[in-house]
Amino acid sequence: GAVVSQHPSWVICKSGTSVKIECRSLDFQATTMFWYRQFPKQSLMLMATSNEGSKATYEQGVEKDKFLINHASLTLSTLTVTSAHPEDSSFYICSARGGQHENIQYFGAGTRLSVL
Amino acid sequence: AQKITQTQPGMFVQEKEAVTLDCTYDTSDPSYGLFWYKQPSSGEMIFLIYQGSYDQQNATEGRYSLNFQKARKSANLVISASQLGDSAMYFCAMREGRTGGFKTIFGAGTRLFVKA
Repeated sequence: GAVVSQHPSWVICKSGTSVKIECRSLDFQATTMFWYRQFPKQSLMLMATSNEGSKATYEQGVEKDKFLINHASLTLSTLTVTSAHPEDSSFYICSARGGQHENIQYFGAGTRLSVL
Repeated sequence: AQKITQTQPGMFVQEKEAVTLDCTYDTSDPSYGLFWYKQPSSGEMIFLIYQGSYDQQNATEGRYSLNFQKARKSANLVISASQLGDSAMYFCAMREGRTGGFKTIFGAGTRLFVKA
């Protein structure tokens, strides 16, 4: 299978600061990347879909100014949580598909964000 | 309306026995893909198996097989010869075609406990 790397795996930050999470496809070109949020003991909630070189498409109810997504290259997408607050604390997980893996979405290991 | 339904919040299986995890879906799109992912306590999402809506045969990957009943809109996961390491959360997912915006959505998940 394909490898998707996500960093950091865990981050603690103060309220009001911004946090950037990186998602890289290591062995394939990801034409489409996805960002999900998962609350404890719940399913994955799609936040946004991004295609390389174009603006991300956000799901209803997701604040695009709060969650900035950049997909600048075929192997890298970033999610920036701006002015983070305790309610933004969650597990964020990215996934990617593309190239020979067009049908399958492969996931990163996730980032656990705790905002104090 | 729920598009992916997993009715079993939790399942127990004896080691070395087979277990079936249920999944039903709802779509009017003729082209769609069905997936199963495993999420251990570490949080990563591990791709297990994929079934395309036009595939004639049920997908199999090692100990995993997908029982695809198109008319009933079900896509149950069968794990044969369960191992202790199979204990995890299992998510069924569907990616619709154009009518669904090519997005992948997830069911609520089933937690599997394998007993020694």
